[in-house]
Amino acid sequence: DTGVSQDPRHKITKRGQNVTFRCDPISEHNRLYWYRQTLGQGPEFLTYFQNEAQLEKSRLLSDRFSAERPKGSFSTLEIQRTEQGDSAMYLCASSSKTRLAGVRNEQFFGPGTRLTVL
Amino acid sequence: DAKTTQPNSMESNEEEPVHLPCNHSTISGTDYIHWYRQLPSQGPEYVIHGLTSNVNNRMASLAIAEDRKSSTLILHRATLRDAAVYYCRKQTGANNLFFGTGTRLTVIP
Repeated sequence: DTGVSQDPRHKITKRGQNVTFRCDPISEHNRLYWYRQTLGQGPEFLTYFQNEAQLEKSRLLSDRFSAERPKGSFSTLEIQRTEQGDSAMYLCASSSKTRLAGVRNEQFFGPGTRLTVL
Repeated sequence: DAKTTQPNSMESNEEEPVHLPCNHSTISGTDYIHWYRQLPSQGPEYVIHGLTSNVNNRMASLAIAEDRKSSTLILHRATLRDAAVYYCRKQTGANNLFFGTGTRLTVIP
């Protein structure tokens, strides 16, 4: 399967612990995005990378959140000192800056990592 | 407000057409209109996008109002597999990457 993959799919942690999620985008995609989704809501944009550069961060991305994409391929999202309010689905998506297969800026989403903070 | 407005929910009978509306009154000239849908327990998937002209693809059709302040996603024959939350958003490149709450489509057999 050459789609976007995320690991782990589920994570249960205790409040105050740190967690890290990984996203592997589609290999030829140079843009990578992180979103958070809570029950009944649409995905909320967190941040995006173009290659290894983090170009935009949402105000939702507090100082406890950090994202990296060191080699312009996979990305990690770390949450430090987790809080119960961090419980959500964390979605990763990738896209290509240039036109591929006739669709520009189409985002391909992974299955998400569901985080539960106890 | 940079976001779009959609009805919370809609119902359709199976094999009938469905028209899902979206208002984007603050759209700018360079914003594309994108539609995504999210099936239960999955990440969103792209459906269709357009700028000014109506668009068709194998999944759906997109009708864009002349003033571009609204659009309608058309599913020509709804199937049970089309039951999902449908999101529209306006997007310029990698900017304005916001989803609203979407429209939950229920397809009745």
